[in-house]
Amino acid sequence: AQSVSQHNHHVILSEAASLELGCNYSYGGTVNLFWYVQYPGQHLQLLLKYFSGDPLVKGIKGFEAEFIKSKFSFNLRKPSVQWSDTAEYFCAVSAYSGAGSYQLTFGKGTKLSVIP
Amino acid sequence: ETGVTQTPRHLVMGMTNKKSLKCEQHLGHNAMYWYKQSAKKPLELMFVYSLEERVENNSVPSRFSPECPNSSHLFLHLHTLQPEDSALYLCASSRDRGNNQPQHFGDGTRLSIL
Repeated sequence: AQSVSQHNHHVILSEAASLELGCNYSYGGTVNLFWYVQYPGQHLQLLLKYFSGDPLVKGIKGFEAEFIKSKFSFNLRKPSVQWSDTAEYFCAVSAYSGAGSYQLTFGKGTKLSVIP
Repeated sequence: ETGVTQTPRHLVMGMTNKKSLKCEQHLGHNAMYWYKQSAKKPLELMFVYSLEERVENNSVPSRFSPECPNSSHLFLHLHTLQPEDSALYLCASSRDRGNNQPQHFGDGTRLSIL
């Protein structure tokens, strides 16, 4: 079964600082990768996804993520964060789970607090 | 607006009560999911329905009973819950169960067991 690790539970940054949130997964086969964001009091929403092709994917609101297959990583980055980026960020991996099914497995999430 | 609506938003119930959580999706999706979100733990997949048929049940206690009467509606019936069942319950849907289908989430029902 696959698993997803997010290295930081809580990250605190000042506005304009650069952001990198780590995500590693364990699964030996083909995966699809996602980052979801949950703003305070709101639903989980898709930030970006990687299926194939260019390992550097760009999402909404200036976020990007790089898939490094050799490191089983899919780290999320943003060059300059804003106060409105304060949210919880979840990395997720979709992989084959047997019997013709695919399962989406989430990490524990990283809470980002941006200080004005 | 997410396209996935969950009711109620908050629910407080005693351990002997029976209640139901409702989820409705307006996206024309064929797959629906129930997740449990507890503090400091990954989202836990509870149930998966594809075309109204339950395709996955991740060792969830029988005090949680899902129902999918059609592809747009999903219920989670609750009975004799325990305090550790207090959590945010999220419903999600996707176009199908393919590997590359992103899931669309509702706002969740915050459940508190007294």
